[in-house]
Amino acid sequence: EVQLVESGGGLVKPGGSLRLSCAASGFTFSSYSMNWVRQAPGKGLEWVSSISSSSSYIYYADSVKGRFTISRDNAKNSLYLQMNSLRAEDTAVYYCARQRGRFDYWGQGTLVTVSS
Amino acid sequence: DIQMTQSPSSLSASVGDRVTITCQASQDISNYLNWYQQKPGKAPKLLIYDASNLETGVPSRFSGSGSGTDFTFTISSLQPEDIATYYCQQYDNLLITFGQGTRLEIK
Repeated sequence: EVQLVESGGGLVKPGGSLRLSCAASGFTFSSYSMNWVRQAPGKGLEWVSSISSSSSYIYYADSVKGRFTISRDNAKNSLYLQMNSLRAEDTAVYYCARQRGRFDYWGQGTLVTVSS
Repeated sequence: DIQMTQSPSSLSASVGDRVTITCQASQDISNYLNWYQQKPGKAPKLLIYDASNLETGVPSRFSGSGSGTDFTFTISSLQPEDIATYYCQQYDNLLITFGQGTRLEIK
């Protein structure tokens, strides 16, 4: 059974940093591109970043470029999102999602709250 | 970036009704269009991929059509469990974008 489990969310002050993790199981993690998608409270879905299976290709939404860094460790079946210079508008539930064109599996999400 | 314009933003319908949601891309995306369902407090769930393909395990009352810039998502006979928000998503461009969402309610 495919499982994606996010962790690392929490309350952080503006300007602070946080590292999210996504633990994958039930599939060959190293064969798939992975993504982070976020959803601010009461708002729609916003794609954040993607990383190819071997980390060769990485893309970011303009809203996080230069502040967030996506990475993966295929040996540990894990996906990461390092978030720096956090702003109030980064407050959201962050989901990791497996990609094969479509996003066919999603984690349950982890809440990041940026507030003083 | 490719903009996805989804309409309507909200919709109220009765059980058994046929429901249609549209999504328009700001440029040609071929058939690189997916549809997701999201219930409150839950992660999104893939329903339709590549514009018209039904994901495994998804009821056949859900369908999708279109190509290029104009796409349609249909529920042939609305069921109470279909109450959710629906999103389109393009992946033609490496910078993926979602539509604004359509909130579906029971009348």
